[in-house]
Amino acid sequence: QITLTESGPTLVKPTQTLTLTCSFSGFSLSSSDVGVGWLRQPPGKAPEWLALIYWDDDKRYSPSLKSRITITKDTSKNQVVFTMTNMDPVDTATYYCAHYYYDLRTFDPWGQGTLVTVSA
Amino acid sequence: DIQLTQSPSFLSASVGDRVTITCRASQGIYSYLAWYQQKPGKAPKLLIYRASTLQSGVPSRFSGRGSGTEFTLTISSLQPEDFATYYCQQLDSFPRTFGQGTKLEIK
Repeated sequence: QITLTESGPTLVKPTQTLTLTCSFSGFSLSSSDVGVGWLRQPPGKAPEWLALIYWDDDKRYSPSLKSRITITKDTSKNQVVFTMTNMDPVDTATYYCAHYYYDLRTFDPWGQGTLVTVSA
Repeated sequence: DIQLTQSPSFLSASVGDRVTITCRASQGIYSYLAWYQQKPGKAPKLLIYRASTLQSGVPSRFSGRGSGTEFTLTISSLQPEDFATYYCQQLDSFPRTFGQGTKLEIK
C-alpha cells in the first residue's frame, strides 16, 4: 500500500522560503517508472501542478513558478523535498505530494495535504 | 499551456440520475486525460486515467470516453456518495493542467 505524508510549516511570512517534505512508503524512488509530484490547491479553486521528480532524478517544473521552486529527492530516506522562495499571500494553498506512475501517467495516490498560509 | 474547460461548472441532480461532465482541451492530448473526485477536506481521488481506464476499486457506474480534445465522464446512476467536485487533468504535456472543476450537488 502506497502512502504519502506532507510536513512543514503551516504559516510563513511574505518573502520567506517554504520548505515541505513528502515522506512516503510502499514504493521506492530508485525503481524505474516512478516519480513524486507536488501540487497545490488554493481554497475553493482547482488543483495546480507544481513539480515532478522521476526515479532517474529528471525533474519538471511549472513554467510559471520555475524561478521560485526546487524539487529534490533522498532515496535512502524515502523523502522528496519541495522548496518555494519569495512566498506571497497568493501562494496560500493546500500543498499535496502524489505518487506518479510514469507509464500510466497518473498521480495516485495523493497525500492528505498540508495547508500553508502566507501572512505577515 | 494546454487549457482544459469543464462543463458544466455546477450540476444539480438526484440519486439515480445519469450525469455527464465534459472536458475540452485547447489542443489535442491523445488519450492522456484523468478524472478525479474530490470531497470537502480531502485530497483528489483518481477515478479514470488514459481517458477511459477505470482505476482499481472505482465503481463501474463511472465511465470515461474521448480522445483528442473532447472527453466525458459519465456516472450511470448517482449514489449519495458521488456528490462531490470532479476535475479533469491532462497528462500529455507539461505543465500538467487541470480543468476548473464541476461541483455535483444534490437536487
